[in-house]
Amino acid sequence: GIQVEQSPPDLILQEGANSTLRCNFSDSVNNLQWFHQNPWGQLINLFYIPSGTKQNGRLSATTVATERYSLLYISSSQTTDSGVYFCAVSEAAGNKLTFGGGTRVLVKP
Amino acid sequence: DGGITQSPKYLFRKEGQNVTLSCEQNLNHDAMYWYRQDPGQGLRLIYYSQIVNDFQKGDIAEGYSVSREKKESFPLTVTSAQKNPTAFYLCASSIHGVRGTGELFFGEGSRLTVL
Repeated sequence: GIQVEQSPPDLILQEGANSTLRCNFSDSVNNLQWFHQNPWGQLINLFYIPSGTKQNGRLSATTVATERYSLLYISSSQTTDSGVYFCAVSEAAGNKLTFGGGTRVLVKP
Repeated sequence: DGGITQSPKYLFRKEGQNVTLSCEQNLNHDAMYWYRQDPGQGLRLIYYSQIVNDFQKGDIAEGYSVSREKKESFPLTVTSAQKNPTAFYLCASSIHGVRGTGELFFGEGSRLTVL
């Protein structure tokens, strides 16, 4: 099956800093999503982005499907951005999402 | 409000007992999914269903069973055959069934602890 690798595994930021999270995948995809898991375990949809670039406030994402990676940008980080960020993909002929191992982010005040 | 409701949020069980986790959605989504998350890990797919009365095994189906008798409901039973059932269980749904995964939305999860 498709492999999904996220980097870095852990990230510590000072409030106000910018950061980039990366997701590499091993095969062509028809679906890619970014999620944020808050400290209570709830998974929140950030982006549905199988290709191209999207922005939502301080967050933006870019997927380069031909090169099999996606990037999530966090600008002017806030303590509420802390949590785990997951990338999940579905293979081109697939019908289920496979998750990466996540990037654990801690934003310090 | 439309959404996905999981119950119970916390559950304790003794070894050897079966337990059923509920997942209900009112989003009119065709597809529903069950994932398992262990501490500090990513999510792993247990079972998924794209249409009523049909479901497929995911990557870690052993020791689990599901049913899909109604579009809105996809309960998961953790059986006594599951050797390490203590985990956080997440239910999800997406609008697309056989046509593809579509955007996935999650419930708040159920934490199961085996004593």
